[in-house]
Amino acid sequence: QSVLTQPPSASETPGQRVTISCSGSISNVGTNPVSWYQQLPGTAPKLLIYNNNKRPSGVPDRFFGSKSGTSASLAIGGLQSEDEADYYCSAWDDSLNGRVVFGGGTKVTVL
Amino acid sequence: EVQLLESGGGLVKPGGSLRLSCAASGFTFRSYSMNWVRQAPGKGLEWVASIGGSSSFIYYADSVKGRFTISRDNVDNSLYLQMNSLRAEDTAVYYCTRVFTLIAQNDMDVWGKGTTVTVSS
Repeated sequence: QSVLTQPPSASETPGQRVTISCSGSISNVGTNPVSWYQQLPGTAPKLLIYNNNKRPSGVPDRFFGSKSGTSASLAIGGLQSEDEADYYCSAWDDSLNGRVVFGGGTKVTVL
Repeated sequence: EVQLLESGGGLVKPGGSLRLSCAASGFTFRSYSMNWVRQAPGKGLEWVASIGGSSSFIYYADSVKGRFTISRDNVDNSLYLQMNSLRAEDTAVYYCTRVFTLIAQNDMDVWGKGTTVTVSS
């Protein structure tokens, strides 16, 4: 059972927008910045969003992160076939002497 | 080029030990805190441990506390994970990651390709 809760799957047709939610608590998402990772099949994860809504250099602005209270979201606009991947949210959790926590991951399918 | 290269994975019996290494290149290693993150077959990501740039802080997941030890050598630009008392549930791909911000240990901008640890009799 993951500390952060994500839907297991999401799907949309090419060109459309898909949104993935990430629900936490006051000790993690509610207090600390959220990051998002994309993992293509058979590869290491890649940082997509940090500090809730910042994109590292090279990440297209189709990827948009937001946070409100104890929930965060990742939106992917103009969905493309190469966006088909697993997506994970992550945050620092202040409980239990401190730890990094992840969501269980959301598999995005481009229909 | 900024790069992380893990090594040391393999097949080990329950109760055994392994030492993972991660060779860093292309950046000033001592300036960054580092993490180990693992992924069991077909499962999601699980954080294992973190270490500060000068080893000023160390954190462990409860699942490995007392069995795993994270360390680093800023002269050799290497990160290590000593794994003892291994269990079947430690079977996973282990990734070495760089933390690129000072405010959030979950901001990992560089990942290695991973090394596979299999714990089985």
